[in-house]
Amino acid sequence: AQSVTQLGSHVSVSEGALVLLRCNYSSSVPPYLFWYVQYPNQGLQLLLKYTSAATLVKGINGFEAEFKKSETSFHLTKPSAHMSDAAEYFCAVSVGSGNTGKLIFGQGTTLQVKP
Amino acid sequence: GAGVSQSPSNKVTEKGKDVELRCDPISGHTALYWYRQSLGQGLEFLIYFQGNSAPDKSGLPSDRFSAERTGGSVSTLTIQRTQQEDSAVYLCASNWGGGTNTGELFFGEGSRLTVL
Repeated sequence: AQSVTQLGSHVSVSEGALVLLRCNYSSSVPPYLFWYVQYPNQGLQLLLKYTSAATLVKGINGFEAEFKKSETSFHLTKPSAHMSDAAEYFCAVSVGSGNTGKLIFGQGTTLQVKP
Repeated sequence: GAGVSQSPSNKVTEKGKDVELRCDPISGHTALYWYRQSLGQGLEFLIYFQGNSAPDKSGLPSDRFSAERTGGSVSTLTIQRTQQEDSAVYLCASNWGGGTNTGELFFGEGSRLTVL
């Protein structure tokens, strides 16, 4: 069975500071991992995905994430936060073997960016 | 349209009434998913349609919930005898599915359901 844990329901950073959103997963099969972002009153949008290719994955808007099997982690980072990054971020793992759109999501982390 | 379209965007209903939520996926997408987003439970998978295969209904929380997909395109999620705990945002998503499935989901903006 798979599961996802996001550490920290709220993260606050200053504009220009490093963004680090933590995600740990549990999976009995090689995982497919995703980060989605949800801006206020909008649907979810894919930021990036790990599908067993390169362990360092680059996504949109300057975000990247590193898959670390030994730590069962897939933390999301961005070197310099922008005000427009304020949103809710969800880590997700694909259920079962293979790569379907049936996902288990973490509880989400709300990112606040202060001027 | 270019994206996943959901209607209504907001629905307020009385406890015990039935509701129908509609999803129009991206043209050409063979897979369609329903998720529910609520304060208490976060984002939960409900049901998944892939082409002409039998849907994966493993996430439906009770037999009051059902969904169908007509003609491999539009889907309707039906909630019978609504309860207050059904209040949530119901999100629809689609993708290419099958062997070309990269796992990326394209989400609609959701239908917010409030049960009074």
